[in-house]
Amino acid sequence: DAEITQSPRHKITETGRQVTLACHQTWNHNNMFWYRQDLGHGLRLIHYSYGVQDTNKGEVSDGYSVSRSNTEDLPLTLESAASSQTSVYFCASSESLDNEQFFGPGTRLTVL
Amino acid sequence: QKEVEQNSGPLSVPEGAIASLNCTYSDRGSQSFFWYRQYSGKSPELIMSIYSNGDKEDGRFTAQLNKASQYVSLLIRDSQPSDSATYLCAVNGGRDSSYKLIFGSGTRLLVRP
Repeated sequence: DAEITQSPRHKITETGRQVTLACHQTWNHNNMFWYRQDLGHGLRLIHYSYGVQDTNKGEVSDGYSVSRSNTEDLPLTLESAASSQTSVYFCASSESLDNEQFFGPGTRLTVL
Repeated sequence: QKEVEQNSGPLSVPEGAIASLNCTYSDRGSQSFFWYRQYSGKSPELIMSIYSNGDKEDGRFTAQLNKASQYVSLLIRDSQPSDSATYLCAVNGGRDSSYKLIFGSGTRLLVRP
């Protein structure tokens, strides 16, 4: 079955380290998204991509970067992790621009 | 700033009752609307999508859209304790918003046995 996976599911890191969270989908969706979810803020968009080599900033992109070298993967990199980036991170994908998004299982990141 | 507003709850209903969840949005250009269910510690799961005014039914769930009033609702009939979760309303603002989804902060639903 087609699916969307994230790894690792849990990660503890130290302030200042570079961290990369993986997202892989087998639906062949062009559109992929990264969100973070924090208590009191709901889901906030970090970065998104509408195709290979296309990346765009969301509302909370500072300190994060993405790259899209193929259809299946959109890795999220924290260049220098900060305690404020402790959160749950969700990757999502969609078939078309105005259709529903499907979410991965999430990565819980703790920055000490 | 485009916004999606939901009452945070908790909305508490007895088992078997109808739960009514509401959502308002600020962007009149919004074209597509979604309801997600999220259990604690899990990822959002799509429940319903609705694109045109009126009602859309799927099993025990009915989504209602009124674009003139900028209002979306989700009705859950015959509520079960397993429906206890947070329900997220999401709105796609269309081309003017680069087709991004804007999420409400969610309404927590508790179904009492």
